[in-house]
Amino acid sequence: DIQMTQSPSSMSASLGDRVTITCRASQDIGNYLSWFQQKPGKSPRRMIYGATNLAAGVPSRFSGSRSGSDYSLTISSLESEDMAIYYCLQSIQYPWTFGGGTKLELK
Amino acid sequence: QVQLKESGPGLVQPSQTLSLTCTVSGLSLTSNSVSWIRQPPGKGLEWMGVIWSNGGTDYNSAIKSRLSISRDTSKSQVFLKMNSLQTEDTAMYFCARGVILDYWGQGVMVTVSS
Repeated sequence: DIQMTQSPSSMSASLGDRVTITCRASQDIGNYLSWFQQKPGKSPRRMIYGATNLAAGVPSRFSGSRSGSDYSLTISSLESEDMAIYYCLQSIQYPWTFGGGTKLELK
Repeated sequence: QVQLKESGPGLVQPSQTLSLTCTVSGLSLTSNSVSWIRQPPGKGLEWMGVIWSNGGTDYNSAIKSRLSISRDTSKSQVFLKMNSLQTEDTAMYFCARGVILDYWGQGVMVTVSS
């Protein structure tokens, strides 16, 4: 199975901060990488697909990038509504696998 | 608009079979696939399997021997059945649209306990 190593597992940041979360794939996954946001008691919400494409309705402060086997989700200016757990997902090979999650909290 | 809704029993006894239904609206199962994902309390997400628009299926190898996904296109319903349940199968179970996972149901909590 492809392992998705996500870091950090948790972090705290201040409003207006630039925040970056990273996933490293254990094998080549091309751009078959998505990012999801999950708030307490809610279903996950797709934020980024194809590594860099913003999903419909997602604020432009969110962006995705790739450098080799490292994939990043960046929030350019943190807002209070962004506090959540973020997960990456690879969908190039079965079983599709999620990263362990990053809990983003307000400092 | 596209909607998915999971339903099923909240409590299942160990060694028994779990049966869940995902009822969809705003999309056709003959042109869309549906995935099942689960999440144990306080833990991360696990992809379970997918049923494709042609009715074919793919499963997570870790649970493949226990899992079956099927559908009734006339009722816009997708079914998940998993046998030999254990306490570690306690989780929130979600269905979501296809491979892009752009629409999710609200989830249904399943507790495995005697």
